[in-house]
Amino acid sequence: KNQVEQSPQSLIILEGKNCTLQCNYTVSPFSNLRWYKQDTGRGPVSLTIMTFSENTKSNGRYTATLDADTKQSSLHITASQLSDSASYICVVADNYGQNFVFGPGTRLSVLP
Amino acid sequence: EAQVTQNPRYLITVTGKKLTVTCSQNMNHEYMSWYRQDPGLGLRQIYYSMNVEVTDKGDVPEGYKVSRKEKRNFPLILESPSPNQTSLYFCASSLESGGTDTQYFGPGTRLTVL
Repeated sequence: KNQVEQSPQSLIILEGKNCTLQCNYTVSPFSNLRWYKQDTGRGPVSLTIMTFSENTKSNGRYTATLDADTKQSSLHITASQLSDSASYICVVADNYGQNFVFGPGTRLSVLP
Repeated sequence: EAQVTQNPRYLITVTGKKLTVTCSQNMNHEYMSWYRQDPGLGLRQIYYSMNVEVTDKGDVPEGYKVSRKEKRNFPLILESPSPNQTSLYFCASSLESGGTDTQYFGPGTRLTVL
């Protein structure tokens, strides 16, 4: 069964600190992996998209990595800000890029 | 402004009363999709459409219908809503399917079925 798992379920850090969120997937065949940020009560917003051949991609303070062999990805947030408080969702698209399997998300809280 | 809009944003209804949630995008995107989000489960795909008059079932299509008569609109229809369809619904669109195009999400519709 196609699945995406994320850890930790929730995370609390202090402003200015770094953190890393994890994603494991069993989706096959694989097309691409995406990370989204979702503020409470709003739609997800795309952060990064990586294909099989890409192992790292950055978007400002967000850096995503992908290991297609182990089917793992991570999202690293540098110098966190209060506005980073949100849910971060890992999404894997199947071979045709039409079906998307979403992880349950990691709830990040950044405290002053 | 490029965006995906949904209406209504909030809806409380009763079991069995047909309803439609509208979705519209102004980016000339070919691919559109509906998702529901429930606590602890993440988003799950209901239906998607690769272009006008082309729709396909996602992971949880039971109890829902869609149509794609125009490129910009992709309404979600609940013919006979039930309490287990109480959820947060998102519409999304992207330029094409099958690639790495960014998917843009609407603001969400919170539906409660009593």
